Amino acid sequence: EPEVTQTPSHQVTQMGQEVILRCVPISNHLYFYWYRQILGQKVEFLVSFYNNEISEKSEIFDDQFSVERPDGSNFTLKIRSTKLEDSAMYFCASSRSLNIEAFFGQGTRLTVV
Amino acid sequence: GDSVTQMEGPVTLSEEAFLTINCTYTATGYPSLFWYVQYPGEGLQLLLKATKADDKGSNKGFEATYRKETTSFHLEKGSVQVSDSAVYFCALSDGATNKLIFGTGTLLAVQP
Repeated sequence: EPEVTQTPSHQVTQMGQEVILRCVPISNHLYFYWYRQILGQKVEFLVSFYNNEISEKSEIFDDQFSVERPDGSNFTLKIRSTKLEDSAMYFCASSRSLNIEAFFGQGTRLTVV
Repeated sequence: GDSVTQMEGPVTLSEEAFLTINCTYTATGYPSLFWYVQYPGEGLQLLLKATKADDKGSNKGFEATYRKETTSFHLEKGSVQVSDSAVYFCALSDGATNKLIFGTGTLLAVQP
């Protein structure tokens, strides 16, 4: 069964460093998303991406964040100058079209120290 | 804006007990409604969904009915198993962007 894969599963980084979280969405899907879940809190929407551009972003997704689909298969989330409060589980998701359920990856646990 | 409210956890039940996890929503349009499940150490998996009023989603013995009049989508299962222990998230999607808005999650612990 096709699945969304994320790498790495766990990333530890020093405060102020840049990190890139990687995702391979399901191959025939057109819509891509990043969500995050701070420990013990709800899952929060960060950004949606369609047709090689951001279609919607939340207030959380400020200039520190960027997304890219560099090669037609990968979908990346870059976090510049990481802060302690960026520590969270980051989930990538994809869906084939609108009004169709999104499929989530296993998540990348980011720990900023 | 749109929002989802679900009951606080944790919910602790004995095996074979009846489960209800309440979920209500606020939305301006006609959202699709979902239950996602997160097993320990894993990602989010879609459990069931309903796309319009009075639809019933069902999967693995779980059910939820889209009630527009009460803006609710309560999750039920007649007889829980230890393997159902997980965090359950109610969510809505406005259909225009597919953005999911999640509730806070409810931890279910089923004891043998």
